[in-house]
Amino acid sequence: AQTVTQSQPEMSVQEAETVTLSCTYDTSESDYYLFWYKQPPSRQMILVIRQEAYKQQNATENRFSVNFQKAAKSFSLKISDSQLGDAAMYFCAYRSAELGGATNKLIFGTGTLLAVQP
Amino acid sequence: SAVISQKPSRDICQRGTSLTIQCQVDSQVTMMFWYRQQPGQSLTLIATANQGSEATYESGFVIDKFPISRPNLTFSTLTVSNMSPEDSSIYLCSVEGRPNTGELFFGEGSRLTVL
Repeated sequence: AQTVTQSQPEMSVQEAETVTLSCTYDTSESDYYLFWYKQPPSRQMILVIRQEAYKQQNATENRFSVNFQKAAKSFSLKISDSQLGDAAMYFCAYRSAELGGATNKLIFGTGTLLAVQP
Repeated sequence: SAVISQKPSRDICQRGTSLTIQCQVDSQVTMMFWYRQQPGQSLTLIATANQGSEATYESGFVIDKFPISRPNLTFSTLTVSNMSPEDSSIYLCSVEGRPNTGELFFGEGSRLTVL
């Protein structure tokens, strides 16, 4: 069974600085997706960034980028120029892309609570 | 991305009662997923609902406790039956995002507190 581990329950960053959130996962599959979701106090889960396992290039979305190390099964999120609005719980998630497709479930890590200090 | 609306947004319920959560999507979707997020915890999949067939439940979740309806391609309900304080959670509905991306989009969630 696949697992997702986030070893940092809480992180803090100064406004305008850069922070990296860690995520490791375990799988025997070769075809999968990895995601970072943000959950602010409003509770809605917001997709931040997505990575396809077959792509070597790290995904980037504006101030958000990932460091995807497939062999090490590591998928960290870097937030540059941190803003107060980035304060939230961040969840790393895994989803198989293999047969079963749309029925494959999204497996979440335990989350990292990010505080942004003004 | 799809717009997903959930009702109620929050509710306070008495032990032993049941509550039905509604999930409305602004476009037709094949699969809908119901997740539970217990206080301070991560999200756990309850079941997958496909229109026109019985929902598929994850280990630890049963239909008698969490009956799901999926009457059409834009709507689903999740009922939390015979509630106990342990059912106090956020319940989230989600649907597939863009094709072939693996993405899921989520509703705002329904926060239930059981006294």
